[in-house]
Amino acid sequence: GQQLNQSPQSMFIQEGEDVSMNCTSSSIFNTWLWYKQDPGEGPVLLIALYKAGELTSNGRLTAQFGITRKDSFLNISASIPSDVGIYFCAGRIQGAQKLVFGQGTRLTINP
Amino acid sequence: KAGVTQTPRYLIKTRGQQVTLSCSPISGHRSVSWYQQTPGQGLQFLFEYFSETQRNKGNFPGRFSGRQFSNSRSEMNVSTLELGDSALYLCASSFVDRGPYEQYFGPGTRLTVT
Repeated sequence: GQQLNQSPQSMFIQEGEDVSMNCTSSSIFNTWLWYKQDPGEGPVLLIALYKAGELTSNGRLTAQFGITRKDSFLNISASIPSDVGIYFCAGRIQGAQKLVFGQGTRLTINP
Repeated sequence: KAGVTQTPRYLIKTRGQQVTLSCSPISGHRSVSWYQQTPGQGLQFLFEYFSETQRNKGNFPGRFSGRQFSNSRSEMNVSTLELGDSALYLCASSFVDRGPYEQYFGPGTRLTVT
């Protein structure tokens, strides 16, 4: 079936550090989305990517649509306490309509 | 513009009962998708409705059903509840049916089955 492999599953970092996470698949994607979810809330859309090689920033967040169209990366620079949460990647496979989601990366920040 | 709203936010039911959850999409959005989220399984796709028609369906038993109204509001129903149905149920809406496919999520309904 269609799968998205998101890694790492969890991260424990110090405040101020940079963070990197990624999603990979064997399928080709037309769209990549990155979400953040706080406890007890729905995921919030952070960044949307539509073209291979596209690099998009949202404040301290930067995401890239992989050139092979099979992966995407999210970087967070100079992490702060409010960055804590679960980050999900989601993508729309070429020819499909629904989104598929990664399993999430849980980010914990030590002050 | 108001975001996606879901009601109720919290619900406690007993096994065997049925439940109906409601979702109001962002104004102008015609696609509504439902997801089940549990700690062990992550986000699992239930179904998607577009223009009152179910367009996609995930791998859930027939006890899970949904519908969409002409104003794009959607409801999800779970009959004969089981303990394993305890989860956060998320609704997401989207503006276009092809091309860019950004989904915006509501806050979810936390269902507890006892």
